[in-house]
Amino acid sequence: EAGVTQFPSHSVIEKGQTVTLRCDPISGHDNLYWYRRVMGKEIKFLLHFVKESKQDESGMPNNRFLAERTGGTYSTLKVQPAELEDSGVYFCASSQGVRSPTQYFGPGTRLTVL
Amino acid sequence: AQSVTQPDIHITVSEGASLELRCNYSYGATPYLFWYVQSPGQGLQLLLKYFSGDTLVQGIKGFEAEFKRSQSSFNLRKPSVHWSDAAEYFCAVGARSSGGYNKLIFGAGTRLAVHP
Repeated sequence: EAGVTQFPSHSVIEKGQTVTLRCDPISGHDNLYWYRRVMGKEIKFLLHFVKESKQDESGMPNNRFLAERTGGTYSTLKVQPAELEDSGVYFCASSQGVRSPTQYFGPGTRLTVL
Repeated sequence: AQSVTQPDIHITVSEGASLELRCNYSYGATPYLFWYVQSPGQGLQLLLKYFSGDTLVQGIKGFEAEFKRSQSSFNLRKPSVHWSDAAEYFCAVGARSSGGYNKLIFGAGTRLAVHP
């Protein structure tokens, strides 16, 4: 069974540009989470999807970040326009259902904003 | 508010030595607790988890952790460290809500170096 996959693995963009990160969860997992680790800081929660619905987006930093989960499958996280402080590693995780709190993480996308 | 503290940012041990990584949490109810490991160039891998029951849990790669409610701790241990254990280790607490399970709250991580 394939794990959580994320694309791209690395992205380097200029300040003001747009970047879209993609996450494919483990097949059949209803819950999808986005987290971010800014250099030297903790891994911080961004948001949580249950199927295609946003369950909790309390960690989204501002309205430059837009997350979607089409049809309850893969998810995208768009940053527009990117700022220097958005640099970091963006992790995606998935879990099976409401009775399964174990989250499985993808390899992350390292975003560098110059 | 929920929080996780990993007091040690860096730890260096010799190969073959024992290891204990500390984790303290703050959470009002019985927590769901996790240890993840991130090896260089890799993603976060689940080492072990505690939900309920036996307070000593076994994980992969020879790791174990003990939940101590009285001390609000969930320390990770390994009796004999291998060079391949060099990585960053994260303790996390999961909050349970009426709708299911939501975010994980992570500690700052402990970076482990292993000397030959």
